[in-house]
Amino acid sequence: GAGVSQSPRYKVAKRGQDVALRCDPISGHVSLFWYQQALGQGPEFLTYFQNEAQLDKSGLPSDRFFAERPEGSVSTLKIQRTQQEDSAVYLCASSWGGPNEQFFGPGTRLTVL
Amino acid sequence: QKEVEQNSGPLSVPEGAIASLNCTYSDRGSQSFFWYRQYSGKSPELIMSIYSNGDKEDGRFTAQLNKASQYVSLLIRDSQPSDSATYLCAVTRASGSARQLTFGSGTQLTVLP
Repeated sequence: GAGVSQSPRYKVAKRGQDVALRCDPISGHVSLFWYQQALGQGPEFLTYFQNEAQLDKSGLPSDRFFAERPEGSVSTLKIQRTQQEDSAVYLCASSWGGPNEQFFGPGTRLTVL
Repeated sequence: QKEVEQNSGPLSVPEGAIASLNCTYSDRGSQSFFWYRQYSGKSPELIMSIYSNGDKEDGRFTAQLNKASQYVSLLIRDSQPSDSATYLCAVTRASGSARQLTFGSGTQLTVLP
């Protein structure tokens, strides 16, 4: 079956622009996670959904970051008024639920100029 | 102190040798432990999960967990050049709403032909 997919794979934005990153999880996976990975570092948690409910958004770095999963499947991470420090790889992962194994998508590399 | 600590490396081993990767964690509430492999420019790929004390073997990989010492390790037997990658240790709680993975910074492994 298909794995986690993300789009776009690469995004270049001018500082101040809004961007939207999409994640399509593995079919049937209840849990969906967004992570941010800076160069040379491990991924860092941003937010977590169980079905359509956003249960934890404690990792979102500022109120410019917003995530949604309205129908419990596809999720969108939106970053408003992008800043250079937002440049990173944004990874989406999904799992059956609970503390189970998470499977990652290919990521979106965001570069803010 | 970071929640999950790994030696950053680089760790170099000759082809055919055993590679030993180590990880310590600070949260005694951690219940699930994972090793991910990440090739340069790619997303993390799950290679091992371990949930109880002791050893777990899967092919050339063995994960070892010692909750009393808050220590988890990954052994790669008969290392191959294709094993050259960054290995990420990740932990998660099993209770409450916290389902996210907390990652170490990764250990870069090079297997020399």
